[in-house]
Amino acid sequence: QVQLQQSGAELVKPGSSVKISCKASGYTFTSYDMHWIKQQPGNGLEWIGWIYPGNGNTKYNQKFNGKATLTADKSSSTAYMQLSSLTSEDSAVYFCARHYWYFDFWGPGTMVTVSS
Amino acid sequence: DVVLTQTPPTLSATIGQSVSISCRSSQSLLHSNGNTYLHWLLQRPGQSPQLLIYSVSRLESGVPNRFSGSGSGTDFTLKISGVEAEDLGVYYCVQGTHAPTFGGGTKLELK
Repeated sequence: QVQLQQSGAELVKPGSSVKISCKASGYTFTSYDMHWIKQQPGNGLEWIGWIYPGNGNTKYNQKFNGKATLTADKSSSTAYMQLSSLTSEDSAVYFCARHYWYFDFWGPGTMVTVSS
Repeated sequence: DVVLTQTPPTLSATIGQSVSISCRSSQSLLHSNGNTYLHWLLQRPGQSPQLLIYSVSRLESGVPNRFSGSGSGTDFTLKISGVEAEDLGVYYCVQGTHAPTFGGGTKLELK
């Protein structure tokens, strides 16, 4: 069965960077886009971008250009998102989600808290 | 960016009641390939979102058939025919015809 396992919660300082992971299993990792979505406390969902692990192609929401960097490791079937220059506005739960015309499987989310 | 406007933002229902949620898009969601990529998600409290309906009206595997979707172009509707307790949570529409965007959500709660 398809599973997306995300890394644990992070407490990070303002101005630093964080890299969170999403390990996929139960399907061919290189055949589906992996998307990342942000959800701030009590708020809705915001699309960050996607990576196609088959060739490493990426596309970003313009709002997250320079903030998020998406990578993927085919050997371990793991997608990564690095967030840089963190501020309080980056405190949120971040989801990875498999996508083939629609988001059919979601990870459990990784909570990132930015605080000094 | 395509803006999806969901109404109502909150919906109070009794068990067994039928309810509808509207999702209106700022642009047509008809793709050049003839498909319309408007989908519906449910996020239960403390959980990640789950897919209910894809491509306007197609029921995801395992989703009860009391859920149905309809619409075209810029206007779409999710209907629940007989709310059950497990249906409570926040419903989102999401489009994939253009760069993905989500509606603001509709919180379904018990009256």
